[in-house]
Amino acid sequence: DQQVKQNSPSLSVQEGRISILNCDYTNSMFDYFLWYKKYPAEGPTFLISISSIKDKNEDGRFTVFLNKSAKHLSLHIVPSQPGDSAVYFCAAGAGNNRKLIWGLGTSLAVNP
Amino acid sequence: DGGITQSPKYLFRKEGQNVTLSCEQNLNHDAMYWYRQDPGQGLRLIYYSQIVNDFQKGDIAEGYSVSREKKESFPLTVTSAQKNPTAFYLCASKDRASNQPQHFGDGTRLSIL
Repeated sequence: DQQVKQNSPSLSVQEGRISILNCDYTNSMFDYFLWYKKYPAEGPTFLISISSIKDKNEDGRFTVFLNKSAKHLSLHIVPSQPGDSAVYFCAAGAGNNRKLIWGLGTSLAVNP
Repeated sequence: DGGITQSPKYLFRKEGQNVTLSCEQNLNHDAMYWYRQDPGQGLRLIYYSQIVNDFQKGDIAEGYSVSREKKESFPLTVTSAQKNPTAFYLCASKDRASNQPQHFGDGTRLSIL
């Protein structure tokens, strides 16, 4: 059973517009969430994280929103750039357990 | 520069052979991880180690083995018991004592000849 779900396998947006990537989770024990970006044949690169005590975290063009009651988080990229084209993974962890549970990823294409 | 080095980048194996994938980090991280990624799939945890000389099975440990004799190194052996070893293998590390994110190497692609 997938505890972290990214229901959109792909997303296409125009350069300069907003990209919104969604992630849902089922385990209410998760208290730490991360977004990673991955290019083909490379390892994932950490983008941004949020702990369950917050509902928003912002870093430059990237903002992550957390809705605990809905068990939902989203990554907003504004403005989107062609270099943002990659696969984005959502991951979640709980307490001192250092294991992360990963979603299947969403492939983002930003068109010039 | 500090980072995680995985080698080789591409590896070919004949059926019935064991192969070992290398992962070295100079970030002084206690915890290290091995993941497997298949096309269209997320990352699945094979093994992880929180400290030298200690490691735990992840979700798909069957057919794999690891060792953690040094803090810097966490090699993964894909044994002949792993029936479907063709995949992209990723190694990661993190500072065990904090909520810092895992840092990843660039991966090794293993293929069966």
